[in-house]
Amino acid sequence: GAVVSQHPSRVICKSGTSVKIECRSLDFQATTMFWYRQFPKQSLMLMATSNEGSKATYEQGVEKDKFLINHASLTLSTLTVTSAHPEDSSFYICSASPASGGARETQYFGPGTRLLVL
Amino acid sequence: DQQVKQNSPSLSVQEGRISILNCDYTNSMFDYFLWYKKYPAEGPTFLISISSIKDKNEDGRFTVFLNKSAKHLSLHIVPSQPGDSAVYFCAAKRQAGTALIFGKGTTLSVSS
Repeated sequence: GAVVSQHPSRVICKSGTSVKIECRSLDFQATTMFWYRQFPKQSLMLMATSNEGSKATYEQGVEKDKFLINHASLTLSTLTVTSAHPEDSSFYICSASPASGGARETQYFGPGTRLLVL
Repeated sequence: DQQVKQNSPSLSVQEGRISILNCDYTNSMFDYFLWYKKYPAEGPTFLISISSIKDKNEDGRFTVFLNKSAKHLSLHIVPSQPGDSAVYFCAAKRQAGTALIFGKGTTLSVSS
């Protein structure tokens, strides 16, 4: 149980285009999902907290107009990188916690999406 | 300001021996701690967690110890296996529904 999927796993795009990444909790409902970013050989840095039915909360330094987050249902959150530039190239990972039950303290991560902007 | 610190970037251990990965934190409001294992280009995999009301939690070969007074926790892997070779992240959170704060990770290498 507690499986989180991400799609796509890898994407290469041209500078200036937008890329949408989907994060799904497959066997549980998650009122809150989180989006992280990891640069090579660095830790996971929280970008934003995605709440179902409300606006996302962004961390300091993360542009909300560039990284659009939509949490349309209890099992789906999307991250759209708008007008992507080469410096946005990174590894994007989402996580989710079960909305109820004993495992709600634990966050389960998706497999990540490698974005390369040319 | 690093609230969760893993001061050892790497650790090498022989197969069959104990691996001890350490983690320190500064925020006394953290009440839940987790360890994740991560391979390159993959998402972190949850290993084991501990609540601040406990000082030890064990799951198979993995044991996590928490010393609240020292704001220190450690992950013990016994016996270590070559398949344990990966980056291990320590993470902490303040309350249910909040995001995890990660350390920078420790790369564990287990040689056969």
